[in-house]
Amino acid sequence: GQQLNQSPQSMFIQEGEDVSMNCTSSSIFNTWLWYKQEPGEGPVLLIALYKAGELTSNGRLTAQFGITRKDSFLNISASIPSDVGIYFCAGSGSYQLTFGKGTKLSVIP
Amino acid sequence: EAGVAQSPRYKIIEKRQSVAFWCNPISGHATLYWYQQILGQGPKLLIQFQNNGVVDDSQLPKDRFSAERLKGVDSTLKIQPAKLEDSAVYLCASSLDGTSSSYNSPLHFGNGTRLTVT
Repeated sequence: GQQLNQSPQSMFIQEGEDVSMNCTSSSIFNTWLWYKQEPGEGPVLLIALYKAGELTSNGRLTAQFGITRKDSFLNISASIPSDVGIYFCAGSGSYQLTFGKGTKLSVIP
Repeated sequence: EAGVAQSPRYKIIEKRQSVAFWCNPISGHATLYWYQQILGQGPKLLIQFQNNGVVDDSQLPKDRFSAERLKGVDSTLKIQPAKLEDSAVYLCASSLDGTSSSYNSPLHFGNGTRLTVT
């Protein structure tokens, strides 16, 4: 099946710092999605990307769909304590969605 | 709008026992998914329904897992008999229409059922 490589696996950052994480795949995807999961809850959609090269923002979050359609990144600017959680990328080439293993973000106040 | 509802929140069983999980999707969502999330990993699709028909169950261990969505709304996922490696969070998700190739209907997840098999 399709595999997604998500990095870094975990991050510890100071409050106020910017954060960047990315996903790469050996397969071409038509859609990239970024989710955030907090303890005891299901993943919540943050940003959806549907076109190669697309750059989309949602508040302090910015994500891009790579030109090659095999990668995507998520940036968080000016991190705050409530940004803590696990961030998952997910890609779809057809109707099936494949998730990365997640990036665990810790924010030090 | 009300979100995806799942029950129970937690379940502890012994290996070889059976267990069932229930999911009520967001009203009007045609597509329903069951995902398995093992600790430290991303969700893995088990089965996808479009209304009451199965779209994809290629990763469902059919010797022990079964799922149904008889009236195209609620769904149940059953494991019988359970194994130690089935310990995971079972997430239900729904979308308006998850069968389009561009995946224009993002998934909305429930809070999951945490299963522990001892």
